[in-house]
Amino acid sequence: RKEVEQDPGPFNVPEGATVAFNCTYSNSASQSFFWYRQDCRKEPKLLMSVYSSGNEDGRFTAQLNRASQYISLLIRDSKLSDSATYLCVVPADRGSTLGRLYFGRGTQLTVWP
Amino acid sequence: DAGVIQSPRHEVTEMGQEVTLRCKPISGHDYLFWYRQTMMRGLELLIYFNNNVPIDDSGMPEDRFSAKMPNASFSTLKIQPSEPRDSAVYFCASSTRGFGYTFGSGTRLTVV
Repeated sequence: RKEVEQDPGPFNVPEGATVAFNCTYSNSASQSFFWYRQDCRKEPKLLMSVYSSGNEDGRFTAQLNRASQYISLLIRDSKLSDSATYLCVVPADRGSTLGRLYFGRGTQLTVWP
Repeated sequence: DAGVIQSPRHEVTEMGQEVTLRCKPISGHDYLFWYRQTMMRGLELLIYFNNNVPIDDSGMPEDRFSAKMPNASFSTLKIQPSEPRDSAVYFCASSTRGFGYTFGSGTRLTVV
């Protein structure tokens, strides 16, 4: 089983829609998680960190289900500018946000007008 | 803050040639990472350094790849000899305690 697995999509949604992505991880000891955003032909950028059951930042909500070992990212009221690839990220070392990070393959989102 | 600076942005080279990619991390960051991204394999960690010391190079594909960090503000990734299958985007990233990774803009390498 891969360290991090994501549904690659693509997800195509209209503006204003709510969309959710899921990600599963294999290391049950993992304590912290991240969502990164990558625009086409650009570098990945940190979107959100998830350290407990979840985190909310404006239209974005990240949730963690430790029992099932999955993380979700919910985007409400989608904007055209949300179109990107969203990467689920899990540290290799339990409890450490430093060192090796495992990146999922990413979920592609396109928001259309 | 200028962020993580990588050079060159694009590199096209012939098979068998030596390629050197360069990275300047964010000042004060004590971790530096080299990643490779391809459509087939996604983002793969090649090697990372802590305080200029290589900690994990298990992702380096083979002996043709080498990385150095002679000081806190500079790192290189070298491929010698290069092969077409090395074509990818190579990202450098840096971090420090309490902060996530910051990636550079990447070097798009094409080996023909």
